[in-house]
Amino acid sequence: GAGVSQSPRYKVAKRGQDVALRCDPISGHVSLFWYQQALGQGPEFLTYFQNEAQLDKSGLPSDRFFAERPEGSVSTLKIQRTQQEDSAVYLCASSLRPASETQYFGPGTRLLVL
Amino acid sequence: KQEVTQIPAALSVPEGENLVLNCSFTDSAIYNLQWFRQDPGKGLTSLLLIQSSQREQTSGRLNASLDKSSGRSTLYIAASQPGDSATYLCAATTSGTYKYIFGTGTRLKVLA
Repeated sequence: GAGVSQSPRYKVAKRGQDVALRCDPISGHVSLFWYQQALGQGPEFLTYFQNEAQLDKSGLPSDRFFAERPEGSVSTLKIQRTQQEDSAVYLCASSLRPASETQYFGPGTRLLVL
Repeated sequence: KQEVTQIPAALSVPEGENLVLNCSFTDSAIYNLQWFRQDPGKGLTSLLLIQSSQREQTSGRLNASLDKSSGRSTLYIAASQPGDSATYLCAATTSGTYKYIFGTGTRLKVLA
């Protein structure tokens, strides 16, 4: 079956541009997570959705970061006025149920801000 | 606040060797711990998930153990192969939360 997909796979943005990153979770998965992975580091939690409800956005680094999942399936992570420090791989993961279930990760979007 | 540490940061072994990767966590009230594999430029592939009530999980040549009292988990890889070369990440979920806290990973290279 289809796994988690993300688009675009690569994105180059000029500093100050807005970007939108898309995540298509596994069909029927209730939980959706966004993580940010800097070069040589482990992923760091950004935000979590249970269906369409954003239950935790404590990991979003600034108010330039915004995520939504309006119909409880596809999610978009938007970064406004991108900065060089936003350059990273953005990973999306989904799980069938919260907490105890294995999280399945997408291939990530590699963002480079020049 | 949960913190996860992995040692060594990098490891190079000859093919066929058995090896152990280490993961330490500071908060023993974990809900589960998961080991992942990450190939260069790729996402994360789940290897093994250990619930807090479990001591170990096995899948093929992989065995993961969990010792909450000491705050440690190990990933044992038997008879390593060049195809095992990748970065291995462990991640812990603390009781009452759902988000994973990741270690920085161990970069493994298995030499043919």
